[in-house]
Amino acid sequence: QQPVQSPQAVILREGEDAVINCSSSKALYSVHWYRQKHGEAPVFLMILLKGGEQKGHEKISASFNEKKQQSSLYLTASQLSYSGTYFCGTDDSGTYKYIFGTGTRLKVLA
Amino acid sequence: DGGITQSPKYLFRKEGQNVTLSCEQNLNHDAMYWYRQDPGQGLRLIYYSQIVNDFQKGDIAEGYSVSREKKESFPLTVTSAQKNPTAFYLCASTKSGQSNSPLHFGNGTRLTVT
Repeated sequence: QQPVQSPQAVILREGEDAVINCSSSKALYSVHWYRQKHGEAPVFLMILLKGGEQKGHEKISASFNEKKQQSSLYLTASQLSYSGTYFCGTDDSGTYKYIFGTGTRLKVLA
Repeated sequence: DGGITQSPKYLFRKEGQNVTLSCEQNLNHDAMYWYRQDPGQGLRLIYYSQIVNDFQKGDIAEGYSVSREKKESFPLTVTSAQKNPTAFYLCASTKSGQSNSPLHFGNGTRLTVT
């Protein structure tokens, strides 16, 4: 079963913050985050390998809690370019089968 | 530059015809994947392959077939058995198929069947 993301959609004004959550019913060994613009392929943002690890990429950061089988993506001081659909991705139970979360649509307004 | 090439970008077919989508990578990646994406929806796994001459069904394999005769190539055939083939198809690859390797994507093929 694919990881569930929340919220399904969010609308922000430029400069506002957002949090996107990714929750799995199975153990997570790692989590990857991607952003997809309309009509394009997903683009890799960051990888989280260790429990509790938090990584950052400019104003976008993420955390990973193995015990809770969850990951969260934090977008601070959002920009128009952050608009798109965000997906978490992971290998299913540590296998080669790579699956994606349900997705979160983010729209940033001027 | 290395990357994944999917062709064609747009493909139109009549209902009842089989169609093959091409995916070629020159990244020397071992694992390759096919995903289907419907409008406003997420990415669903069709087939994946860890090594040459081996592949596994994903979550929505019915009506599709693949082959992996070369490391660089992983073509997907959409057969007439696939009831709703119109969708955006994405091919991806990863270096080792393990947790520390994210997916690299091609630009996708948009298939329309009428």
